[in-house]
Amino acid sequence: SQTIHQWPATLVQPVGSPLSLECTVEGTSNPNLYWYRQAAGRGLQLLFYSVGIGQISSEVPQNLSASRPQDRQFILSSKKLLLSDSGFYLCAWTVDTRNNEQFFGPGTRLTVL
Amino acid sequence: QKEVEQNSGPLSVPEGAIASLNCTYSDRGSQSFFWYRQYSGKSPELIMFIYSNGDKEDGRFTAQLNKASQYVSLLIRDSQPSDSATYLCAVPWGNTPLVFGKGTRLSVIA
Repeated sequence: SQTIHQWPATLVQPVGSPLSLECTVEGTSNPNLYWYRQAAGRGLQLLFYSVGIGQISSEVPQNLSASRPQDRQFILSSKKLLLSDSGFYLCAWTVDTRNNEQFFGPGTRLTVL
Repeated sequence: QKEVEQNSGPLSVPEGAIASLNCTYSDRGSQSFFWYRQYSGKSPELIMFIYSNGDKEDGRFTAQLNKASQYVSLLIRDSQPSDSATYLCAVPWGNTPLVFGKGTRLSVIA
């Protein structure tokens, strides 16, 4: 069965510090991978998605970036965090792009102080 | 503009009643529709999807789709306190894989 991992589970970082969140998927090959952010009082916002190694599509311009160094690894990064980057970061995957069913990891709760 | 609209709630129903959650969307070209359940502090969990007009039933859950009116709904029969959560509607939009509504918070009162 497929499993998706995210770490860390929670993170508290000061403004201006760097960020690296990691997502890995087990039990599947060639998944599409997604990064979402859910801020307080707001819906799920798609940040990036990737259809393969090295292929990244950005949905919203901001101070975040994403990379996919391996088939089942997706990384979200920032060089300098802003207060507005606080939120619940979720990684998701899908294999069958015909129907867009997405399955979410456990998430990382980020607080920027 | 990508719009998936849901009433934020809270929607309160007594235990054993039918909970009805609604979602409207703006893209007439959307072909698939998803319902996710999200417990407080947890990640969303896919519970239903529907592609064709009409009803789709899965246990206590029924998804209803009306493409002409651009709405999709989720009915939960025999609501239980464990159904208390936020329910998210999601729709593909152009090149965006899924656009999510802000969710409806459901509270089932014992």
